[in-house]
Amino acid sequence: EAAVTQSPRSKVAVTGGKVTLSCHQTNNHDYMYWYRQDTGHGLRLIHYSYVADSTEKGDIPDGYKASRPSQENFSLILELASLSQTAVYFCASSDSGQIYAEQFFGPGTRLTVL
Amino acid sequence: GQQVQQSPASLVLQEGENAELQCNFSSTATRLQWFYQHPGGRLVSLFYNPSGTKHTGRLTSTTVTNERRSSLHISSSQTTDSGTYFCAIDYNQGKLIFGQGTKLSIKP
Repeated sequence: EAAVTQSPRSKVAVTGGKVTLSCHQTNNHDYMYWYRQDTGHGLRLIHYSYVADSTEKGDIPDGYKASRPSQENFSLILELASLSQTAVYFCASSDSGQIYAEQFFGPGTRLTVL
Repeated sequence: GQQVQQSPASLVLQEGENAELQCNFSSTATRLQWFYQHPGGRLVSLFYNPSGTKHTGRLTSTTVTNERRSSLHISSSQTTDSGTYFCAIDYNQGKLIFGQGTKLSIKP
């Protein structure tokens, strides 16, 4: 089974500050994804990447940047954190973006912006 | 737009009863996954099932592609089954769209 780890597991940030969330996968997957989950809701896709040094916008990219410096690592960057970005953030990876590719999720990062 | 509708939104059962969760989607799905989210937040993939029926333990997932629906059946429910169950669909766009989830509570 794919191993996806995230750091930090929780973080408290101040409004206007910069936040970087990190994700690392060890199964040589091509695709990586960042989602956010608000309390009582499903996950929504922020950014994804299918190759190193390239990222794509998901459904809710505003206020977020992403960086894929290597196949194993994918970061989510909040340049100016806002209260509305308080949420749980999940990273995922899959072997391919094509059909029949299951996504494997990390444990999540709980971000609180004050 | 492309939607994923899950029902019911919440379900309360007595231990030992069977649970039936539904997922309906709006167009052809190339990928469908069922997830379980622990009360503490950890997300676990239960089934990758874009078509047909799959079993694991007390869980069964059935997807009828041409009817645009999938179900998750939990037999002889246990208190440890409590949590939120998500259905997620890929409409051939290389990304998953999640439903709102079904919150399941199993009472002892």
